[in-house]
Amino acid sequence: DAGITQSPRHKVTETGTPVTLRCHQTENHRYMYWYRQDPGHGLRLIHYSYGVKDTDKGEVSDGYSVSRSKTEDFLLTLESATSSQTSVYFCAISEGHPYNEQFFGPGTRLTVL
Amino acid sequence: EDQVTQSPEALRLQEGESSSLNCSYTVSGLRGLFWYRQDPGKGPEFLFTLYSAGEEKEKERLKATLTKKESFLHITAPKPEDSATYLCAVQGNTGTASKLTFGTGTRLQVTL
Repeated sequence: DAGITQSPRHKVTETGTPVTLRCHQTENHRYMYWYRQDPGHGLRLIHYSYGVKDTDKGEVSDGYSVSRSKTEDFLLTLESATSSQTSVYFCAISEGHPYNEQFFGPGTRLTVL
Repeated sequence: EDQVTQSPEALRLQEGESSSLNCSYTVSGLRGLFWYRQDPGKGPEFLFTLYSAGEEKEKERLKATLTKKESFLHITAPKPEDSATYLCAVQGNTGTASKLTFGTGTRLQVTL
């Protein structure tokens, strides 16, 4: 298994509160990604990082921010959680070209009440 | 915009009954097509990468093939442990270089 951990694995929070999810890798891969997975939508990219302090938006980035201060850690913050952000969040890593396959973490199930 | 459509949405097979899952895609310049397996409550597990039409890859009972418009995941003599959701994704040449576009998956159930 790729060395990817996510914390917390489960979280229940209330609307309007900030939430931070953490992804930690031990593979020293350059690229890290945050996806959300919802029924009927498949996996959708929220943000990604191509190096320390280098990040960019994905297709569903509104309401989310990210930070990467170390190669191994990629944080996803929901600035003010809403019920529409109830989802399962997956972190992924990849080495980058030419090894473009991504390896996924175990996921975080987030419920916003 | 890259698009991926997987069919069928769900498939139920008896043990030993071979079948194929379909992944149709549109992409501006294919960098790679990826197959993943996802078990309930877990993250997707990487299976294969295909880069060009005509390419094939095999792993145990699974074989992935690629044409210019679609990919097939052939499952030969499946066993109950092959039950999972199978995801297909593409990476194109334009836009976010690292971005994968995923389909919604085929949920496979293999019964005794």
